[in-house]
Amino acid sequence: AQTVTQSQPEMSVQEAETVTLSCTYDTSESNYYLFWYKQPPSRQMILVIRQEAYKQQNATENRFSVNFQKAAKSFSLKISDSQLGDTAMYFCAFMGGSPSGGTSYGKLTFGQGTILTVHP
Amino acid sequence: NAGVTQTPKFQVLKTGQSMTLQCAQDMNHEYMSWYRQDPGMGLRLIHYSVGAGITDQGEVPNGYNVSRSTTEDFPLRLLSAAPSQTSVYFCASRMGSETYEQYFGPGTRLTVT
Repeated sequence: AQTVTQSQPEMSVQEAETVTLSCTYDTSESNYYLFWYKQPPSRQMILVIRQEAYKQQNATENRFSVNFQKAAKSFSLKISDSQLGDTAMYFCAFMGGSPSGGTSYGKLTFGQGTILTVHP
Repeated sequence: NAGVTQTPKFQVLKTGQSMTLQCAQDMNHEYMSWYRQDPGMGLRLIHYSVGAGITDQGEVPNGYNVSRSTTEDFPLRLLSAAPSQTSVYFCASRMGSETYEQYFGPGTRLTVT
């Protein structure tokens, strides 16, 4: 079974600064996907960024980037130029894949979440 | 497209009552799932379906039933509500095995007293 651990229950950052959220995971699978989801106070789950395990290059999406260390089973999220709208709960999540390149039935295993507060 | 819709948004039940949380998607997605979110525990998978007529248990299935008679709908039934089922419930859908992105509904906050 996979496990995902987020060791930072809460983080805070000043507007315009950079913050990094940590995530580690444990799996015996060789093919998988990793995700960061954002959950603002509205409760909606929003996909921020994804990383395919077979890709060595770290994923980036505008101000969001990841540091994927496959051997260490680490997957951190860096938010640059933090904005007030980034205030939210952030979840790291894992989805197993298959040798053919497809995904499994789609089970997402989530970490406990990190509450990020951006201060003006 | 409305995406994934859930009703109701909020519900209060007494212990022992039954109810059904509704979930529908209009994207013709094969895969649908139910998760519950509890403080400090992230989201955990309750039940999932890989197509009409096919369902299976997730990580925390006890106390919940599901069925999938159509591609669009995936209701979650609580037969006899317990305070331990107080949670926020999310329905999610995904196109199929060759895609990774899950689309989440807005959630239902359920309180069992």
